[in-house]
Amino acid sequence: AQKVTQAQTEISVVEKEDVTLDCVYETRDTTYYLFWYKQPPSGELVFLIRRNSFDEQNEISGRYSWNFQKSTSSFNFTITASQVVDSAVYFCALPAGPNAGGTSYGKLTFGQGTILTVHP
Amino acid sequence: EPEVTQTPSHQVTQMGQEVILRCVPISNHLYFYWYRQILGQKVEFLVSFYNNEISEKSEIFDDQFSVERPDGSNFTLKIRSTKLEDSAMYFCASIRERGNQPQHFGDGTRLSIL
Repeated sequence: AQKVTQAQTEISVVEKEDVTLDCVYETRDTTYYLFWYKQPPSGELVFLIRRNSFDEQNEISGRYSWNFQKSTSSFNFTITASQVVDSAVYFCALPAGPNAGGTSYGKLTFGQGTILTVHP
Repeated sequence: EPEVTQTPSHQVTQMGQEVILRCVPISNHLYFYWYRQILGQKVEFLVSFYNNEISEKSEIFDDQFSVERPDGSNFTLKIRSTKLEDSAMYFCASIRERGNQPQHFGDGTRLSIL
């Protein structure tokens, strides 16, 4: 069975601090994808990034960067110079791969989420 | 960019009443999902739907729940006799191909059972 763990329930930082959100996953798939979603106070789920297990190169997009390490089954997300607008719940998610069984393929397993609060 | 749309955004219903949550997935998508998020908790899978039938359902998706795609565009989730514990945010999602594509989520319907 797939599992995603986000051990940090809540993080509070002051604006301009860097913050890293942790995600650890379990899967039996040999190739897989991982996603991060943002849920702002308005409640919708906003897709942020997709990474595949073939590519462990870190990715940077503006103030966001992701560190994917297959050896430790971690997919961490860093926000540099945080801003108040970054305040949200962040979810790491793992889609079931083809080895999960045909009907489960594609189903997302979410972590518990990390509540990030950025204070001015 | 095409979006998944959900209506209503907020539904308030008396316990025991039937409720239908509506979703319009992205038009060329083939796989459809409902997820539920109880306030303050994680997003949980409810059901997946493909080729006009349920592909998989979770333990949460009991006999009180049903889904259908009545007209090729709408995708509905029906709860026959609502309970207090059905109060949650319900998200619809769709995808064209499984596995490597992120699911596109609607903005959710907040269901409040009184």
